[in-house]
Amino acid sequence: GQQVMQIPQYQHVQEGEDFTTYCNSSTTLSNIQWYKQRPGGHPVFLIQLVKSGEVKKQKRLTFQFGEAKKNSSLHITATQTTDVGTYFCAERVNQAGTALIFGKGTTLSVSS
Amino acid sequence: DTAVSQTPKYLVTQMGNDKSIKCEQNLGHDTMYWYKQDSKKFLKIMFSYNNKELIINETVPNRFSPKSPDKAHLNLHINSLELGDSAVYFCASSLRVVIRQHNEQFFGPGTRLTVL
Repeated sequence: GQQVMQIPQYQHVQEGEDFTTYCNSSTTLSNIQWYKQRPGGHPVFLIQLVKSGEVKKQKRLTFQFGEAKKNSSLHITATQTTDVGTYFCAERVNQAGTALIFGKGTTLSVSS
Repeated sequence: DTAVSQTPKYLVTQMGNDKSIKCEQNLGHDTMYWYKQDSKKFLKIMFSYNNKELIINETVPNRFSPKSPDKAHLNLHINSLELGDSAVYFCASSLRVVIRQHNEQFFGPGTRLTVL
């Protein structure tokens, strides 16, 4: 069935190191969304990528959408303890609907 | 003001009981969802409601039934609870993609259900 593969499942870094999580789909995506869930919290929308090869930045976060629109990545430069949480990519279930299929998430831990 | 609210935050109950979780959004969105997050943090869509009409019903047991009295509310009723139903249930809302290009979803705080 339709699914989004996300790796790694877990990542531990020292504060100040960079971090990247990757998502891959077997199908061409119309768009991809990224969410962050803090420990004990709920998913919070970060960004949506729509265009082939699109790159968007939010401060230390850089989001990329592959040229073929089948993969995406989130890169965090110089991680801080506030970056701790689980990062999810998500794609729409189908063209007609708005429900999302989530990747399994990458849980980031940061030690100071 | 809380955009998407859920009650209760915690729910502990015995196997076989029937329970409901309530969700309300004050964002004026016309689509609401229920997601289940298991102990491994996997988030899975359960239901989606648009203008009071169920538009997605994933392969969830029919013990689960969403009820939407109006477009600001989407409640989840669960019959004959089983151990495997223990999870965190998130309500979410968004605008339809045909209205806006960006249909980001806004999640409620979640309801942690524990079935004993």
